Amino acid sequence: EAGVTQFPSHSVIEKGQTVTLRCDPISGHDNLYWYRRVMGKEIKFLLHFVKESKQDESGMPNNRFLAERTGGTYSTLKVQPAELEDSGVYFCASSQARGEAFFGQGTRLTVV
Amino acid sequence: AQSVTQLGSHVSVSEGALVLLRCNYSSSVPPYLFWYVQYPNQGLQLLLKYTSAATLVKGINGFEAEFKKSETSFHLTKPSAHMSDAAEYFCAVSLYSSASKIIFGSGTRLSIRP
Repeated sequence: EAGVTQFPSHSVIEKGQTVTLRCDPISGHDNLYWYRRVMGKEIKFLLHFVKESKQDESGMPNNRFLAERTGGTYSTLKVQPAELEDSGVYFCASSQARGEAFFGQGTRLTVV
Repeated sequence: AQSVTQLGSHVSVSEGALVLLRCNYSSSVPPYLFWYVQYPNQGLQLLLKYTSAATLVKGINGFEAEFKKSETSFHLTKPSAHMSDAAEYFCAVSLYSSASKIIFGSGTRLSIRP
């Protein structure tokens, strides 16, 4: 069974550009989470989807970040426009109800 | 509010030596506690979790952790380090056993000396 898959694995963009990160959860997992690790600090929660609905988006840093989960399947996280401080590793995780969260390998975003 | 503090951003031990990675938590309610590991170029993997069933929790790869409420600690140990244990380890806390927001510590990178 495929695990959580994230695309791309690395992205380097210029300040002011737009970047879209994608996460494909494990099939059948209704819960999908985005996390971010900036500059070797702690991994921080961004938001939580249950199917296509945003259950908790308290960790989203500002309105330059937009997360969607079309049809309750894959999810995208768009950063527009990107700033230098957005650089970091973005992790996606998925789980069944009350089940273990499985994490993807992460997308390393570098804004220059 | 919940929080996690990992003492030591980098720990180095000799192969065969005891591994001890420290974690202290803060929680206003009984917490669920986790240890995750990230091997190079891989995603986060759950090592073990405490869900109030037993204070000593055994995980994968010979790791275990003990929940000590009086000390608000959840330190990770392994009796004998192996070269393959080199990775970054994250302690984490959550209000629920799973399927909810997880609060992570800043991570401890474990190096193993031959």
